[in-house]
Amino acid sequence: EAQVTQNPRYLITVTGKKLTVTCSQNMNHEYMSWYRQDPGLGLRQIYYSMNVEVTDKGDVPEGYKVSRKEKRNFPLILESPSPNQTSLYFCASRLAGGVAGEQYFGPGTRLTVT
Amino acid sequence: DAKTTQPTSMDCAEGRAANLPCNHSTISGNEYVYWYRQIHSQGPQYIIHGLKNNETNEMASLIITEDRKSSTLILPHATLRDTAVYYCIVRRYGGATNKLIFGTGTLLAVQP
Repeated sequence: EAQVTQNPRYLITVTGKKLTVTCSQNMNHEYMSWYRQDPGLGLRQIYYSMNVEVTDKGDVPEGYKVSRKEKRNFPLILESPSPNQTSLYFCASRLAGGVAGEQYFGPGTRLTVT
Repeated sequence: DAKTTQPTSMDCAEGRAANLPCNHSTISGNEYVYWYRQIHSQGPQYIIHGLKNNETNEMASLIITEDRKSSTLILPHATLRDTAVYYCIVRRYGGATNKLIFGTGTLLAVQP
């Protein structure tokens, strides 16, 4: 089944404790993105990647890192999480030559930083 | 990318057609209309997209006005599982940023 998977689905952590949220897709998609969703602010893009070893900042990259060492994986790294990063996170992917607006989203990761 | 305006919420009876409007009066000639939906806190799900012509797939139909300033997403036979927030998004076909701008969307409540 074609899908985007994220792990963990739920995470409660403390300020300053490094964490990684994994994202993996099995559709051989070149493009991948991370979004965060907050009440009243909608979904905002954090980082995106056009292919292996090619990443760039989205609208709200502060406090986050990403890497794209393999085509299928696009982990989101919070080196020193803070309470303002408490949010619902989504990973998305699409084909490079496909319709830019047709993206596949993961199930989400709900992160709480205390 | 052009801005979109959607009603905050709508109700629909189960089994009836749900017609969700979207206004995008500032749309440019190279911008497409996309529809997504998000069922409570799940990942957004792509539904359909179009440029000028009406489009239909297994999930829905998309009607775009001739001047392209508005569109309507039609779910022909709404079920309870169609209760979700529906987002209308306008953006160019390609683009390196891969970004989708989700507005506030329309909360569709399908009533039994």
